[in-house]
Amino acid sequence: DVKVTQSSRYLVKRTGEKVFLECVQDMDHENMFWYRQDPGLGLRLIYFSYDVKMKEKGDIPEGYSVSREKKERFSLILESASTNQTSMYLCASSVRAGATGELFFGEGSRLTVL
Amino acid sequence: SQQGEEDPQALSIQEGENATMNCSYKTSINNLQWYRQNSGRGLVHLILIRSNEREKHSGRLRVTLDTSKKSSSLLITASRAADTASYFCATASANYNFNKFYFGSGTKLNVKP
Repeated sequence: DVKVTQSSRYLVKRTGEKVFLECVQDMDHENMFWYRQDPGLGLRLIYFSYDVKMKEKGDIPEGYSVSREKKERFSLILESASTNQTSMYLCASSVRAGATGELFFGEGSRLTVL
Repeated sequence: SQQGEEDPQALSIQEGENATMNCSYKTSINNLQWYRQNSGRGLVHLILIRSNEREKHSGRLRVTLDTSKKSSSLLITASRAADTASYFCATASANYNFNKFYFGSGTKLNVKP
């Protein structure tokens, strides 16, 4: 089975801190994604990557950056956390575009910024 | 926005009843998928229907797709208390490198024992 592991389930940070959210997948998937989930807004795409060192902005990239130095690892970085970044963050991976293309999700990281 | 939108936002039924959730979207798609999310957890893929398919079954799940109306429905038959979760539709547009997915805000299903 595909496993997508997010390093922290719960984090509490202070405004202005730098925050790293790590995600690792074990199925050699080319594509990796970071979403944030807020009540009533569904999942919104922050960034995605379709190959090592490749990244593309999603719908809400402001205030975030990403890093993909290895195929299995995709990191989300909040350079200077703000209270409006309090949210559930979900990492996902998928094979390169094709017949299935389903997403495999991690368990999520709930971030609170005080 | 290309986002899928689910309807209703919340649904409460008795165990044994059928649950129907609907999804509408705005632009052409490569495929449409349904996901389930238990409270506070990640999403789990349930079923995928391609744009050239009209209906698909998987166990107690039945999905229909009407591309002319840009809508899909998910039917869960003979519901169980364990089906209590949020359900999301995701539409996918594709290019060579990746599927880009758009999610709605979900239907929260409560199945009462």
